[in-house]
Amino acid sequence: SQTIHQWPATLVQPVGSPLSLECTVEGTSNPNLYWYRQAAGRGLQLLFYSVGIGQISSEVPQNLSASRPQDRQFILSSKKLLLSDSGFYLCAWSARGGATGELFFGEGSRLTVL
Amino acid sequence: EDQVTQSPEALRLQEGESSSLNCSYTVSGLRGLFWYRQDPGKGPEFLFTLYSAGEEKEKERLKATLTKKESFLHITAPKPEDSATYLCAGPSSGGYNKLIFGAGTRLAVHP
Repeated sequence: SQTIHQWPATLVQPVGSPLSLECTVEGTSNPNLYWYRQAAGRGLQLLFYSVGIGQISSEVPQNLSASRPQDRQFILSSKKLLLSDSGFYLCAWSARGGATGELFFGEGSRLTVL
Repeated sequence: EDQVTQSPEALRLQEGESSSLNCSYTVSGLRGLFWYRQDPGKGPEFLFTLYSAGEEKEKERLKATLTKKESFLHITAPKPEDSATYLCAGPSSGGYNKLIFGAGTRLAVHP
């Protein structure tokens, strides 16, 4: 069966510090991968998606970046965090070519920037 | 602008009190609408896909329906374990890789 792991689960970072969130998927090949952010009381905002190694589409201009160094690994990074980067970050995968709207989400990473 | 709007923002029900959640969707051409359940501090869990007006899907006490412009999630005789945030989403004009999520309806079912 497929599983998705995301870490760390929680982190508190000072403004201006770097960030690295990691996500890996097991049990499937060639998945589409996504990073979403969820602010309190708001819907999920798509940040990045990837359809293959090294292929990243950015949806929202910001100081975040994403990389996909391996087929089932997706990393969200920042060189210098802003207060506005606080939120709940979710990694997700979907089957390549799927059009069902079915995303499988990780458990999320709660980031607090102070 | 592509948009998904959910109402109400929050709903409090007594156990056994049936109700419906609404999701309206404004994207040129309806190409599917999707429902998710999210428990506090967790990632969303996929529930249903609806593609065509008139389509219905059921799972336990939940039934999702779709019209030309909106979807309803009907909850029949809810139990406390149905308490969660229910999200709906639709593909943007950019396609199924770019789902637009509504802000969700927070459902609380009290015994």
